[in-house]
Amino acid sequence: GAVVSQHPSWVICKSGTSVKIECRSLDFQATTMFWYRQFPKQSLMLMATSNEGSKATYEQGVEKDKFLINHASLTLSTLTVTSAHPEDSSFYICSAPFGILEAFFGQGTRLTVV
Amino acid sequence: GENVEQHPSTLSVQEGDSAVIKCTYSDSASNYFPWYKQELGKGPQLIIDIRSNVGEKKDQRIAVTLNKTAKHFSLHITETQPEDSAVYFCAASSRTGNQFYFGTGTSLTVIP
Repeated sequence: GAVVSQHPSWVICKSGTSVKIECRSLDFQATTMFWYRQFPKQSLMLMATSNEGSKATYEQGVEKDKFLINHASLTLSTLTVTSAHPEDSSFYICSAPFGILEAFFGQGTRLTVV
Repeated sequence: GENVEQHPSTLSVQEGDSAVIKCTYSDSASNYFPWYKQELGKGPQLIIDIRSNVGEKKDQRIAVTLNKTAKHFSLHITETQPEDSAVYFCAASSRTGNQFYFGTGTSLTVIP
């Protein structure tokens, strides 16, 4: 099946620094990708929709200046957590649509801000 | 927007028994309902899905049923095995497709 690769799988950073997470569709093109956030023992919450060649669409309550999204090509979307703080520590997951209805998920990135 | 509810939040079964997880959704326009299995520290993995024009789908030990009128769908796992232990999420598609609204998850434990 289609594969979505997310990198890194885990990262620890100091408070105030920025962290970039990459999401790649390995064997198919994705003009749209989705970014989710998951707190421990909770469900996945959609943060934003990444669009190739245009601005990302953010869900209500998500700070666009804090979570910068760039969809540089048809196979790559990046999420940058800027000026990270401990409350940004979470599991971040991307997904890429496949076909009309389906989507495949990356393996997730565990971010810990210390 | 869509609201997906999932029950139970935790489920323990003996190995070999069946497990059933139920979800309801609110948006009648949703037409695709995937189920994901998530193991600790990993991203969700699609295990089965169903489209709105189908009432039931089965893949070996896993089956999903959909009642569009009542807006609920269920996951059935038969002959459970310890490796089935994980968190399971149901989801419903958005009106535009590909973007999902997730249930709150069910932590399934299969006791050997």
